[in-house]
Amino acid sequence: EDQVTQSPEALRLQEGESSSLNCSYTVSGLRGLFWYRQDPGKGPEFLFTLYSAGEEKEKERLKATLTKKESFLHITAPKPEDSATYLCAVQEGSNYKLTFGKGTLLTVNP
Amino acid sequence: SAVISQKPSRDICQRGTSLTIQCQVDSQVTMMFWYRQQPGQSLTLIATANQGSEATYESGFVIDKFPISRPNLTFSTLTVSNMSPEDSSIYLCSVEKQGAPGELFFGEGSRLTVL
Repeated sequence: EDQVTQSPEALRLQEGESSSLNCSYTVSGLRGLFWYRQDPGKGPEFLFTLYSAGEEKEKERLKATLTKKESFLHITAPKPEDSATYLCAVQEGSNYKLTFGKGTLLTVNP
Repeated sequence: SAVISQKPSRDICQRGTSLTIQCQVDSQVTMMFWYRQQPGQSLTLIATANQGSEATYESGFVIDKFPISRPNLTFSTLTVSNMSPEDSSIYLCSVEKQGAPGELFFGEGSRLTVL
């Protein structure tokens, strides 16, 4: 069973059409949950860290939230430049290792 | 922030050969991480490279297949040995931001295709 599951696998939006990406996790003793953005041909780029349920972080059109079982990445009024693959990862207990989900490929059409 | 350079950016290799990927960081770091990203799969940690000691490998990855060197605090190499088509993947080097566990900087990756 995957520890980190992201949905949907792919999402296509029109410019300005808000939506959310989901990341559910099954690890115990969550140390941190991380969101990354990956553009084609590039390495992932860090977006947010969330540590505890109820926490929220924002950056431009993106807002990440965390519950005890899942995280959401809300995208408000997206633009074509928001098109990318969004990766979620968790860090468990005292282990420094990150476990990644498979990502959500977001396409925003003009 | 850290700037990470990887070489080669891409290569096409023959079955049974080996290829070494280089990773250069613009600052001194304690740990360097090597990841594999296969099509349709999640980013998977291969090993952690510490300067002055042997690399620590994750389950499913062995030193004979993926030998790693870490000669100093800014450089590491990953070799993919005796390659097969199943090794076709993107290999990524990363380092952690100081004081921010889990916040990683990544290189742009090395895309290997094994024929």
